Amino acid sequence: AQSVTQPDIHITVSEGASLELRCNYSYGATPYLFWYVQSPGQGLQLLLKYFSGDTLVQGIKGFEAEFKRSQSSFNLRKPSVHWSDAAEYFCAVGANYGGSQGNLIFGKGTKLSVKP
Amino acid sequence: DGGITQSPKYLFRKEGQNVTLSCEQNLNHDAMYWYRQDPGQGLRLIYYSQIVNDFQKGDIAEGYSVSREKKESFPLTVTSAQKNPTAFYLCASKQPLLGNTIYFGEGSWLTVV
Repeated sequence: AQSVTQPDIHITVSEGASLELRCNYSYGATPYLFWYVQSPGQGLQLLLKYFSGDTLVQGIKGFEAEFKRSQSSFNLRKPSVHWSDAAEYFCAVGANYGGSQGNLIFGKGTKLSVKP
Repeated sequence: DGGITQSPKYLFRKEGQNVTLSCEQNLNHDAMYWYRQDPGQGLRLIYYSQIVNDFQKGDIAEGYSVSREKKESFPLTVTSAQKNPTAFYLCASKQPLLGNTIYFGEGSWLTVV
């Protein structure tokens, strides 16, 4: 069965430090992978997505992610974190669900706190 | 501006009542979704619809019902059969092809009182 694992429930980093959020997936074919961000009490906003081609994907707000097929990973990175990056981050894989394409399976999220 | 509008933002339900959450989109998307979000649980799929007048159960459909009479509208009813309805509910839409981006509304908080 398709699944997404985000091993870290909560991460705290200092402002200006680098960030890496981990995501591992289980999927039989070439996956479609996404990272979303959610501020408290709000909907989800797409940061970036991977379909094919270059395994290093650039997104909004200075984020990037690298697809590593051998490790079944799609980790999210940012070289220098800003206080406004404090939020919850969700990794997702595009699934063939019940015969219909296009649904997403989400990880349980990683909450990011930023220390001044 | 194009987007997804959910209403109400906050809703309180008494025990035994049905309540309906509204979701409207003007993105001209064929597919629409309802997710439930609980702390530490991520997003779980309740129902989805790939086209008007058709919808499918997701992982946690029990106690919920939906309709899709118009392309732009996908209301969710939380029935009295849902034993633990207090949660944050997110509506989303996309074009159905695998890999297309899902866009989310701002969510609705439902609390049982």
